[in-house]
Amino acid sequence: DTAVSQTPKYLVTQMGNDKSIKCEQNLGHDTMYWYKQDSKKFLKIMFSYNNKELIINETVPNRFSPKSPDKAHLNLHINSLELGDSAVYFCASSQVDRGRYEQYFGPGTRLTVT
Amino acid sequence: GENVEQHPSTLSVQEGDSAVIKCTYSDSASNYFPWYKQELGKGPQLIIDIRSNVGEKKDQRIAVTLNKTAKHFSLHITETQPEDSAVYFCAAGHNTGANSKLTFGKGITLSVRP
Repeated sequence: DTAVSQTPKYLVTQMGNDKSIKCEQNLGHDTMYWYKQDSKKFLKIMFSYNNKELIINETVPNRFSPKSPDKAHLNLHINSLELGDSAVYFCASSQVDRGRYEQYFGPGTRLTVT
Repeated sequence: GENVEQHPSTLSVQEGDSAVIKCTYSDSASNYFPWYKQELGKGPQLIIDIRSNVGEKKDQRIAVTLNKTAKHFSLHITETQPEDSAVYFCAAGHNTGANSKLTFGKGITLSVRP
């Protein structure tokens, strides 16, 4: 019954590798987001997609490429991983077209780059 | 862009006491102010939110107040319990349809001493 789910929960990889994180929401929402939470717990938006269309792209290196195959899924692919990419990545969703802006977060994916 | 400041950064209270967490924002166009609770190893959970046309909102032991003139909003937790111990984030955003985004404060770690 998880509303927003992410896989994997943990990801450990070496510098230079390419990895993907997947997100799915079963809330019927039209908008999905990727956030990065650094070691100091600071939450910063990276991307948002509305009805599969990229809306927000917050000065994220182009090694990060989101992809939304449908409204319920938003994946994040990261090329040439760097040490500084180590963080917890959260997916979230909301339903903006009905004037409801509450964002619901997934459990996070802890990425460790060695 | 929006800037959200949250203070203090840590707060320790005795079980049963009240806790107040304060946030300020910079963008007068912001009209949506959610609060999130993040427990260790989990994603942020929406606990209460307030919109700019309302000055106060309550939900059982938690309440949020908003002062638009001073651009600050606060979270009040009464009769604190050990399970209230977590990191709390405030956020601000303006709801403009698909372009809506939230800017988060840096979080405050609340410890409730039994």
